Amino acid sequence: SSELTQDPTVSVALGQTVRVTCQGDSLRNYYASWYQQRPGQAPVLVIYGKNKRPSEIPDRFSGSRSGNTATLTITGAQAEDEADYYCHSWDSSVNRAYVFGTGTQVTVL
Amino acid sequence: QVQLQESGPGLVKASQTLSLTCVVSGDSFTSGGYYWNWIRQPAGKGLEWIGRVYINGNTNYNPSLKSRVTLSLDTSKNQFSLRLTSVTAADTAVYYCAREIEYYDNTGYVSYYDSWGRGALVTVTS
Repeated sequence: SSELTQDPTVSVALGQTVRVTCQGDSLRNYYASWYQQRPGQAPVLVIYGKNKRPSEIPDRFSGSRSGNTATLTITGAQAEDEADYYCHSWDSSVNRAYVFGTGTQVTVL
Repeated sequence: QVQLQESGPGLVKASQTLSLTCVVSGDSFTSGGYYWNWIRQPAGKGLEWIGRVYINGNTNYNPSLKSRVTLSLDTSKNQFSLRLTSVTAADTAVYYCAREIEYYDNTGYVSYYDSWGRGALVTVTS
């Protein structure tokens, strides 16, 4: 299956901006959705569509897409943003199948 | 607000069949526009999409699991189910059920999981 590739780890200083990227062919035609997962918990939706957020997600989270890359941006990272983040979209090599990104661990210093 | 809860055996013997159920409460299970998904996560690893089922019974599966997976739903009980045959240790994981919303708008196709269950750990034993 086609992969969505993410950097394994990213770190950010408290209050600074961090960008988490997701690369894959399907992203040229489809938006990624993004999920935050804290240890021992189920994933939580943070971004979907063209930069949409569930009402309970802070506006410091935003999303964008360019070419084959989707980006999740956290502007003014907080300690509670330390978590694993996964992108999700269609598998471009298979009809009607999804794939998750490889995941990025975000550390807030 | 919709809630999802996985249930099923926590231990399954190798070569046997893993069966899990997800009960949906708090919203209309039969409303159109929702797909019902299963996703799993081995300990310390990433998320893997297993498949999805629509209210009319249509299914889509991960090609790597397709030969062993069956998804079904029971509208009378507001639940949907996963069967995975011929399990091995590689199938040991936390299994999540999730509700998917899918639609088209003026920006294009949109799909996302808005609600997840807490997850059920299934261990395959030898």
